Amino acid sequence: GQQLNQSPQSMFIQEGEDVSMNCTSSSIFNTWLWYKQEPGEGPVLLIALYKAGELTSNGRLTAQFGITRKDSFLNISASIPSDVGIYFCAGRNNDMRFGAGTRLTVKP
Amino acid sequence: EAQVTQNPRYLITVTGKKLTVTCSQNMNHEYMSWYRQDPGLGLRQIYYSMNVEVTDKGDVPEGYKVSRKEKRNFPLILESPSPNQTSLYFCASKHGTGSTYEQYFGPGTRLTVT
Repeated sequence: GQQLNQSPQSMFIQEGEDVSMNCTSSSIFNTWLWYKQEPGEGPVLLIALYKAGELTSNGRLTAQFGITRKDSFLNISASIPSDVGIYFCAGRNNDMRFGAGTRLTVKP
Repeated sequence: EAQVTQNPRYLITVTGKKLTVTCSQNMNHEYMSWYRQDPGLGLRQIYYSMNVEVTDKGDVPEGYKVSRKEKRNFPLILESPSPNQTSLYFCASKHGTGSTYEQYFGPGTRLTVT
């Protein structure tokens, strides 16, 4: 199936910094999703995007559905220690494809 | 509380010894699925079920079986586990096939096959 390229693989940042990660695909998706996974837990949905060009916020998180429908990005502003975890993008048509994840570490 | 539960959470077993990982959801969701998560590969779908008695292969179904006899349960069966099935497994569920219904994931089952 089509692969999603998620970058960066990992990030080490200082508390208070902004974070940006993105996902690209060679195929078009009708829906883009961003999940967060904490140790010992399953992925939890952060933001769902259903329309090309859509920009959606959830607190300090902002995500956009690329206009070409082949990419999406997630920004986290003013990071805090509890933002630590692995962030996954996912593209969905009839089935769903996941990126490999971005591991975020926030230093207090 | 709305949730997806999996049991066991951790399992160490030996090659060839049949095992079942259970998954249950209390949200009356029609759709359920199983994923495996491996480093650098994200989540890959093993099997999914659109409703009771309806199951379909995902991307990596080899070596696995599933059944959907009741709406709330979707067990994953490994008839003869092998070391390459060592992985972190997630069950997920959602309402039907509506385009804005998204999946809820269980807490995961870490399986080691020696």
